Amino acid sequence: AQKVTQAQTEISVVEKEDVTLDCVYETRDTTYYLFWYKQPPSGELVFLIRRNSFDEQNEISGRYSWNFQKSTSSFNFTITASQVVDSAVYFCALSAATGANSKLTFGKGITLSVRP
Amino acid sequence: NAGVTQTPKFRVLKTGQSMTLLCAQDMNHEYMYWYRQDPGMGLRLIHYSVGEGTTAKGEVPDGYNVSRLKKQNFLLGLESAAPSQTSVYFCATLGQGDAGGTEAFFGQGTRLTVV
Repeated sequence: AQKVTQAQTEISVVEKEDVTLDCVYETRDTTYYLFWYKQPPSGELVFLIRRNSFDEQNEISGRYSWNFQKSTSSFNFTITASQVVDSAVYFCALSAATGANSKLTFGKGITLSVRP
Repeated sequence: NAGVTQTPKFRVLKTGQSMTLLCAQDMNHEYMYWYRQDPGMGLRLIHYSVGEGTTAKGEVPDGYNVSRLKKQNFLLGLESAAPSQTSVYFCATLGQGDAGGTEAFFGQGTRLTVV
């Protein structure tokens, strides 16, 4: 069974603050993928990052960074110097790499509000 | 390259009516999924398919049926719509993206209201 837990439901910060969105996952598969998606108020789902289970390197993309730790089954997302345009719902997701168990399981999402 | 296309984008149904939502992809991906999104519930998996001719139940399959007769199409059917099925429905595929890695691609969503 797969499970993704995003314990934070809503976060509100003031512009330019740093904010970390937590994601904890459960899976019995040894090979899997982790994703983060952004859903702005317009409703579409925007791909942010994919990590496979063999790559624990942290990644930075502009103001975004991701911390993947297999030891704690976590894949946390940090936005540095947040901006109003970062206001959205953010989803963490998990998929087994192949086969009949390739369900793509999402967490419940974190609503981030960035105030000017 | 259209990616993932859902039709229709909006629909209002009366209780008891039936309808089919179509998800079409042109990326040759094996894996396809149907989700519903409700406030505070995230994206919940309804049914999914790991290849042409195969389907499997997800987290919330009751009241829905699916078919994957062709690899590029994944249909979601509501035989007798209920107000509890009012939701936004998303279709997704999982496969190789432009950057060479595995990525999930989503349709634009279908907003369904059952009155």
